[in-house]
Amino acid sequence: DQQVKQNSPSLSVQEGRISILNCDYTNSMFDYFLWYKKYPAEGPTFLISISSIKDKNEDGRFTVFLNKSAKHLSLHIVPSQPGDSAVYFCAASAANSGNTPLVFGKGTRLSVIA
Amino acid sequence: DAGVTQSPTHLIKTRGQQVTLRCSPKSGHDTVSWYQQALGQGPQFIFQYYEEEERQRGNFPDRFSGHQFPNYSSELNVNALLLGDSALYLCASSLVPSGTQYFGPGTRLLVL
Repeated sequence: DQQVKQNSPSLSVQEGRISILNCDYTNSMFDYFLWYKKYPAEGPTFLISISSIKDKNEDGRFTVFLNKSAKHLSLHIVPSQPGDSAVYFCAASAANSGNTPLVFGKGTRLSVIA
Repeated sequence: DAGVTQSPTHLIKTRGQQVTLRCSPKSGHDTVSWYQQALGQGPQFIFQYYEEEERQRGNFPDRFSGHQFPNYSSELNVNALLLGDSALYLCASSLVPSGTQYFGPGTRLLVL
């Protein structure tokens, strides 16, 4: 039973436009959410996170939105750049304590076309 | 500032063999977590080490074991390898009580 779901395996976006990656979760105990980006032959790289006490967190071109009632979060990338092409993983944990296991979705492959 | 490092990068083993993977955490981090990423899947939590003890464990059999050394580096051991153990093994380090988990590049294990 998947607790974190990324229902779109792939997404293709034109350079300069907005990329929106979605993630749904089922476990109500999750209260900290993260996005990681992964290039081939590299480990996941931390991108941005959000605590359940917030509904939005922004870092440069990246914004994460959290809708707790819908158990849904999304990552917005504006403007999208070719270097953003990678697999994006949504992850959730029960706390941001550094020692709480992360539960990952299956990932969404983003392709930004020049 | 060195990030998380893992060795080896690639490994080929045959069924029934044993394997040891190694991880050095990011400087200043004291906690190491191991994840298995099968093809087409997201990383799945195996276990976590803090203060040289296994603190939490995911849904993995006892064939998977580990160790953490006084310098916070860690090993993952897998005994009696199965074909299904073929995957990318990722190590992540963090600092308790608060801190994001940072991942290494992974070790790709192929079991034939």
